[in-house]
Amino acid sequence: ILNVEQSPQSLHVQEGDSTNFTCSFPSSNFYALHWYRWETAKSPEALFVMTLNGDEKKKGRISATLNTKEGYSYLYIKGSQPEDSATYLCAFIGGSTLGRLYFGRGTQLTVWP
Amino acid sequence: KAGVTQTPRYLIKTRGQQVTLSCSPISGHRSVSWYQQTPGQGLQFLFEYFSETQRNKGNFPGRFSGRQFSNSRSEMNVSTLELGDSALYLCASSLGDTSYEQYFGPGTRLTVT
Repeated sequence: ILNVEQSPQSLHVQEGDSTNFTCSFPSSNFYALHWYRWETAKSPEALFVMTLNGDEKKKGRISATLNTKEGYSYLYIKGSQPEDSATYLCAFIGGSTLGRLYFGRGTQLTVWP
Repeated sequence: KAGVTQTPRYLIKTRGQQVTLSCSPISGHRSVSWYQQTPGQGLQFLFEYFSETQRNKGNFPGRFSGRQFSNSRSEMNVSTLELGDSALYLCASSLGDTSYEQYFGPGTRLTVT
């Protein structure tokens, strides 16, 4: 059974705080790592598709890093805003199961004004 | 460009019945994947179809089946419904390229009584 773990499970921060979450995945047979944001009553939306060890991606105040050798990725949000409140999901794709995404359970972020 | 659509959005069925859910992908997308989300669980992969062929399959019983039509629309069928099948079923489409980036629909909320 392939495990993708996310921590913490939930996070409550004040507006303006910076925060980060972790996604752990198997370090062998890596193909890609995706990050998605899932807001309440909406559909999950892709944030980043990461494929190379050492990848760093950025979109506005959100950035992500990837370490395939040790099997983890970090998602950072700088200066959190209430509109950042959502569940953040990571998904692992292995080289032998292309097209099959293994999702973690997500980190639920709440940003208080 | 229109997004992924799913019908119906809500459904209530009785144990033992069967159900068919429908998904229309983004125009030009050739891959459709199905996911199940139950309370406390991450998104669980059901199967992926590409060009009318099942390319990947998750660890679900044979009561769960799907198909894809020549226009890339996909249906998922669950036979002999059980209470545990109550869940949000999400469909996602992708180009079918090497990124496997998923574009999700709004989901179908299935309740089995």
